[in-house]
Amino acid sequence: QVQLVQSGAEVKKPGASVKVSCKASGYRFIGYYIHWVRQAPKQGLEWMGWIDPNIGGTQYTQKFQGRVTMTRDTSISTAYMELSSLRSDDTALYYCARVQCPGSRCYIDYWGQGTQVIVSS
Amino acid sequence: DIQMTQSPSTLSASVGDRVTITCRASQNVSNWLAWYQQKPGIAPKLLIYQASSLESGVPSRFSGSGSGTEFTLTISSLQPDEFATYYCQHYMSYPWTFGQGTKVGIK
Repeated sequence: QVQLVQSGAEVKKPGASVKVSCKASGYRFIGYYIHWVRQAPKQGLEWMGWIDPNIGGTQYTQKFQGRVTMTRDTSISTAYMELSSLRSDDTALYYCARVQCPGSRCYIDYWGQGTQVIVSS
Repeated sequence: DIQMTQSPSTLSASVGDRVTITCRASQNVSNWLAWYQQKPGIAPKLLIYQASSLESGVPSRFSGSGSGTEFTLTISSLQPDEFATYYCQHYMSYPWTFGQGTKVGIK
């Protein structure tokens, strides 16, 4: 069965960076894009961007341009999301998610369990 | 960016009630819309994709309809396990955006 298992919770100081991992299993890793979505405390869902695990191509939403980097290691079927210059409002639950593309558009069909990132001095 | 607006933001219902949630897009998203259910501390779960297609394994009491800018999610008979927050999300173009969520609580 498809599983996305994320790394554990992180506590970081303002200005630091955090790198979250997302290990995929149960399917062909390079065949499906991975997206990242975050959820601030008691807030809604915010889409951050995607990575194509096959060629490593990425697209980020403008809000995170220059601060986010998405990478992957195909040898261990793992995707990574690194966010730098952390601020207190980056405190959130970060999710990786696999997308399904049956037609000309893709949608999220599986989610990781989430990684809590707390930014505090 | 396309804005997604859900209504209501909260609703109170009883087991067995028919529940309807509306999602409006600020621009035409065709039928590129998904609905998710989320419980506290747990990742969202896909219910509906392409506005009206039921994800495998999701009970048939869930249904979605609409196209263009107005969409609805209906639960025909609410079950105890379905008190949760529901989100719509468009995938017409990037950036993807989500509605603010509708929390379905116990009356």
